[in-house]
Amino acid sequence: AQTVTQSQPEMSVQEAETVTLSCTYDTSESDYYLFWYKQPPSRQMILVIRQEAYKQQNATENRFSVNFQKAAKSFSLKISDSQLGDAAMYFCAYGTGTYKYIFGTGTRLKVLA
Amino acid sequence: DSGVTQTPKHLITATGQRVTLRCSPRSGDLSVYWYQQSLDQGLQFLIQYYNGEERAKGNILERFSAQQFPDLHSELNLSSLELGDSALYFCASSVSGQGTETQYFGPGTRLLVL
Repeated sequence: AQTVTQSQPEMSVQEAETVTLSCTYDTSESDYYLFWYKQPPSRQMILVIRQEAYKQQNATENRFSVNFQKAAKSFSLKISDSQLGDAAMYFCAYGTGTYKYIFGTGTRLKVLA
Repeated sequence: DSGVTQTPKHLITATGQRVTLRCSPRSGDLSVYWYQQSLDQGLQFLIQYYNGEERAKGNILERFSAQQFPDLHSELNLSSLELGDSALYFCASSVSGQGTETQYFGPGTRLLVL
């Protein structure tokens, strides 16, 4: 069965610095997608970035980028130039051709002024 | 704004009662998912519908049921409520319900059972 593990319950970063959130997964599938969602204090779930497993190039969205290591089954999120508004829970999720996502347990990111 | 709407935003009720949560997916999306998020917990997948039919089931209690109507909106019914059912309930939608698609989440319904 597929699993998603976020081993960092909480992380802190200084404003304007860079932070990396870790996510590992286990699967025997070859075709799948990976997602990072952000949940700010409002509790809204917001898509941050997505990565197709068949693409070797790491996805990037402005200050957010991923380091996708398929062989290692690792999918980390890097946030550059951290801002106070980046403070949130971040969830990693895995999806395949079956119908549902599998979410990790989340990492709470604190941004220090 | 994801385009997914959920009503009500907040719901306070008593143990033993029954409530209905409503979700309207994004325009063009045929699939709806329901998730439960208890305090400071991750998201637990409850159930998925595609074009009116149940497609996948997760850890949904027998006291809970859902359906998707011909206009594609969905309702999650929670009955015989217990204190432990207090949570944030999310609805998400996607185009065709494949796990490789981005799911767009609604703002959630906060349920408090007293």
